[in-house]
Amino acid sequence: GDSVTQMEGPVTLSEEAFLTINCTYTATGYPSLFWYVQYPGEGLQLLLKATKADDKGSNKGFEATYRKETTSFHLEKGSVQVSDSAVYFCALSKPTGGFKTIFGAGTRLFVKA
Amino acid sequence: DSGVTQTPKHLITATGQRVTLRCSPRSGDLSVYWYQQSLDQGLQFLIQYYNGEERAKGNILERFSAQQFPDLHSELNLSSLELGDSALYFCASSVEIIDTQYFGPGTRLTVL
Repeated sequence: GDSVTQMEGPVTLSEEAFLTINCTYTATGYPSLFWYVQYPGEGLQLLLKATKADDKGSNKGFEATYRKETTSFHLEKGSVQVSDSAVYFCALSKPTGGFKTIFGAGTRLFVKA
Repeated sequence: DSGVTQTPKHLITATGQRVTLRCSPRSGDLSVYWYQQSLDQGLQFLIQYYNGEERAKGNILERFSAQQFPDLHSELNLSSLELGDSALYFCASSVEIIDTQYFGPGTRLTVL
């Protein structure tokens, strides 16, 4: 079945370091891909999305490119801040009559000042 | 604040009991989704409703049921509760079926 695999955390970085969180997926058809972020004690928020191959999603300095050939959607940010500390979830969604979303396990990011 | 509200915020109950979680979507959103987040299973999609009708089903147990009412709010009913049902339950909403989802703050269920 469809699945999403993310790199295991936690990831600990110093402020202004470069961030990469790997995400690969397995799916039939043409899923849409998403990154969500969950801050402590809160629900998930959409960070960015891409709906077709080679699309690049971007928001708040974060970027991810939908790579169909490598079935990947890696999250990157050039310079992280302490406020970026959170759990990041990669997800895919496919229209199946409804809209079923499959999430990765989540990657916790700690950014030190 | 996403505009999605969930009640109650916390719920503590005993095994074998039944509880109802409530979700009010953002104004104008027709689609509601339910998710379960636990330490061992991660974030699992349970079920989706659109304008009162069930549209997609995920890993929802037979002991669980949901519905969306004419005013578009939704309820998730969990019965014959087990210790393993302890988790955070999130509701999300979107305007259309295939659209960005906005998550509520969650209901933390503890089964003792």
